[in-house]
This record gives sequence, structure tokens and C-alpha cells, in this order.
Amino acid sequence: GAGVSQSPRYKVAKRGQDVALRCDPISGHVSLFWYQQALGQGPEFLTYFQNEAQLDKSGLPSDRFFAERPEGSVSTLKIQRTQQEDSAVYLCASSPKREADNEQFFGPGTRLTVL
Amino acid sequence: GQNIDQPTEMTATEGAIVQINCTYQTSGFNGLFWYQQHAGEAPTFLSYNVLDGLEEKGRFSSFLSRSKGYSYLLLKELQMKDSASYLCAVRSSFSGGYNKLIFGAGTRLAVHP
Repeated sequence: GAGVSQSPRYKVAKRGQDVALRCDPISGHVSLFWYQQALGQGPEFLTYFQNEAQLDKSGLPSDRFFAERPEGSVSTLKIQRTQQEDSAVYLCASSPKREADNEQFFGPGTRLTVL
Repeated sequence: GQNIDQPTEMTATEGAIVQINCTYQTSGFNGLFWYQQHAGEAPTFLSYNVLDGLEEKGRFSSFLSRSKGYSYLLLKELQMKDSASYLCAVRSSFSGGYNKLIFGAGTRLAVHP
């Protein structure tokens, strides 16, 4: 029973290093979302994919953040030249329908710590 | 703008009832979700309201008043395992033809014996 999986679960990066976070959504899910969750806060929207199309990237904090989903399944969130303020849990969620009418199914997240 | 408010922390006794409130001011409202999140884990779906009224699901119930921009999550017969953060999230429609979830900061509930 595969749910949403993310890797790595934990990542420690030195400031200035590039990182890549992977999300494997539930098979067949059309919609895929990335969120950033700071300690003690709720998830904040970063970007949304409908199949391979990135329809909304308004939540990406800066041009150091880049996301892709080239074949409409696996997605990668890349952060270039990481800064300490990038430290957070990065959550991926998928939903079966185009308009995310249903509940979103969340992965366990990747906890990024930037030193 | 989008604004969602819920209490930061609550405590309750095992076996009791607790109500977690959420108020919101959003555009394009298209439903309200409650998620449970244990420390270090993914949020998991609890309930969904799009019409006014009460939705009951076992020990959990959720209420919505769209005119007041208000929802609550009611947890009955509290168990120790209910200690977690409870996230209120509003689904908003956007002109691109999709919905986006806007989350509150979450309410950390501590259940004690």
C-alpha cells in the first residue's frame, strides 16, 4: 500500500550548498503540491503541478527554489545556495484529481537543516 | 489577503471533550479541512466541510459557519494518542482552475491523564 514517499527524510547542508528533495506521489495522482513547514507553524504552499505542468509557483520564496515534475509522476524540489532560513520540513502532497477536490495525501516530509 | 487563526496550545484530560476553534478570512472559499499532525509525521486528513453545519465522524466532529468565517473541531472521549497538532486549512479556488490549501499555524493539543 504505497502512500506518498519522500527522500531523504533528513538532510543537513552547509550554507551555500545545493540540495535536491524527491517526492514520489501515489501512483496515478494528477495533482502534486510542495509545502514548507517551519517549526511550530502550519505548512505553507510553495508550488503546484497538474501532471507535468507547473501551474502555480507563487509560493516559492526566491529564485533559488526550483521544482520540476518532468514525466508527471516523481517531483524534485531543488534549492540552490541554501541559506539558514531555508531550514524547515518540506512536505509533498498528492491528490487524485486535477482540481485537488479530494483530500491531499501527505508524505512524511524531508527535514532540511542548513548550518 | 488570507488569514486563518486558531489557538496555539490547548490542554485537556483523558476522557474529556475538547473544542478547537478556527476563524478565517479568505477569498474564493471552497471548503475547510482539519488535519492531525503528530510530531515529526505527515499531516493526516480528519474532516472536510463545505456546507454549513456539523459533520460527525466517530469521536471527531467538525462544524462550519461560512457567514461567520468560523469552524471548530470537536474531539470526544479523548485518548492520550490524540496529543498532536490540529491544523485548520481553507481551500481556496484560483482563477487557474485549481484549488489551493491555506493552513493555519496549528493548535498543539496535550492530553494528560
